[in-house]
Amino acid sequence: ETGVTQSPTHLIKTRGQQVTLRCSSQSGHNTVSWYQQALGQGPQFIFQYYREEENGRGNFPPRFSGLQFPNYSSELNVNALELDDSALYLCASSPPGDTQYFGPGTRLTVL
Amino acid sequence: QKEVEQDPGPLSVPEGAIVSLNCTYSNSAFQYFMWYRQYSRKGPELLMYTYSSGNKEDGRFTAQVDKSSKYISLFIRDSQPSDSATYLCAIVPHGSGNTGKLIFGQGTTLQVKP
Repeated sequence: ETGVTQSPTHLIKTRGQQVTLRCSSQSGHNTVSWYQQALGQGPQFIFQYYREEENGRGNFPPRFSGLQFPNYSSELNVNALELDDSALYLCASSPPGDTQYFGPGTRLTVL
Repeated sequence: QKEVEQDPGPLSVPEGAIVSLNCTYSNSAFQYFMWYRQYSRKGPELLMYTYSSGNKEDGRFTAQVDKSSKYISLFIRDSQPSDSATYLCAIVPHGSGNTGKLIFGQGTTLQVKP
């Protein structure tokens, strides 16, 4: 177990809606990253937060946004959902100086 | 050209076989090299990581990095049916530290048959 939890496990939305995904990591994990994994593909980096500030962003549009909270939890928000947003969304957290440990993911289906 | 290339397989081997999984990468500035295992409908699980050329061993698993050829490998000895999963290589660009963004390969699906 990595100590990283994500909610919900899966959800279904319709095109144009908005969604918020949540992640909770262990105490002391001050870096959190979010990835999108389409079926049959490797995860793609969305963005990273370090001490509540965005610390790098991948090739994703602004309708993908995030927050990191002082209690080591994090959110990924996606506005104006598109069919191609259907994927497994992964949260990964890191303690200082260590690598990333992943949660189980949230499977999002957009109809 | 993708930054990290990985043959998606699937790869099917008999129990007890030695498995070789490979990735190539394009940017010589990459610094850290990881291998993750992902079971169906689960998150990736870190197996091993290294930052230097050469071999690193952990039980039945050996990670190998050849920076001159931009080639990384994962060997699994005495493979077991429980090793059946998707194996993902991941690389961190130089300057990011080992907490930096991960650039993943496509993943190789492995099936170990009893």
